[in-house]
Amino acid sequence: KAGVTQTPRYLIKTRGQQVTLSCSPISGHRSVSWYQQTPGQGLQFLFEYFSETQRNKGNFPGRFSGRQFSNSRSEMNVSTLELGDSALYLCASSLRTAFYEQYFGPGTRLTVT
Amino acid sequence: GQQVMQIPQYQHVQEGEDFTTYCNSSTTLSNIQWYKQRPGGHPVFLIQLVKSGEVKKQKRLTFQFGEAKKNSSLHITATQTTDVGTYFCAGREGGATNKLIFGTGTLLAVQP
Repeated sequence: KAGVTQTPRYLIKTRGQQVTLSCSPISGHRSVSWYQQTPGQGLQFLFEYFSETQRNKGNFPGRFSGRQFSNSRSEMNVSTLELGDSALYLCASSLRTAFYEQYFGPGTRLTVT
Repeated sequence: GQQVMQIPQYQHVQEGEDFTTYCNSSTTLSNIQWYKQRPGGHPVFLIQLVKSGEVKKQKRLTFQFGEAKKNSSLHITATQTTDVGTYFCAGREGGATNKLIFGTGTLLAVQP
């Protein structure tokens, strides 16, 4: 079974721009969660989607948004990028909810200059 | 809000030595998961504990969930160089928020 895929793997943007990241979960998985990983803050939960509905949201500003499509693929969008948004963005899929075994993708490394 | 702290932040051991990382939550957890992230890689699920006082073993790895369901530990017996990486616990906060909170992680270095 193919694993979680994320595109693009690397991205360089400038302040003020917006970015969209994509995540394709493992086939049959309906839950997709997004995390931001930085050396200083560690792994922080952004949001979880299940069957196209946002189930949980972390403590991030409204510039961070996401959505899930009917095929469970998910996108995450960050508008008005700031230098502090530079991070590894990880997507994880789970069969049911994020409280079960999660399978992480390789991540998208975003650099904001 | 809920905080999940791990100690130590970093541990360097000689190959063959044992290693333990501790995970402590400020609130009671519904369950706890453990993940391993190799350098340059992504987190990989190791195990989930649900019951108070639960102990699970995977070869050289032993996982415990505290009686009060506020702490957990991961013990590795006779470390190997393949054990190198950062170990994260992740706890589910009960109640309305229902979020999965990751611990701060423990980076394990193993010297051959």
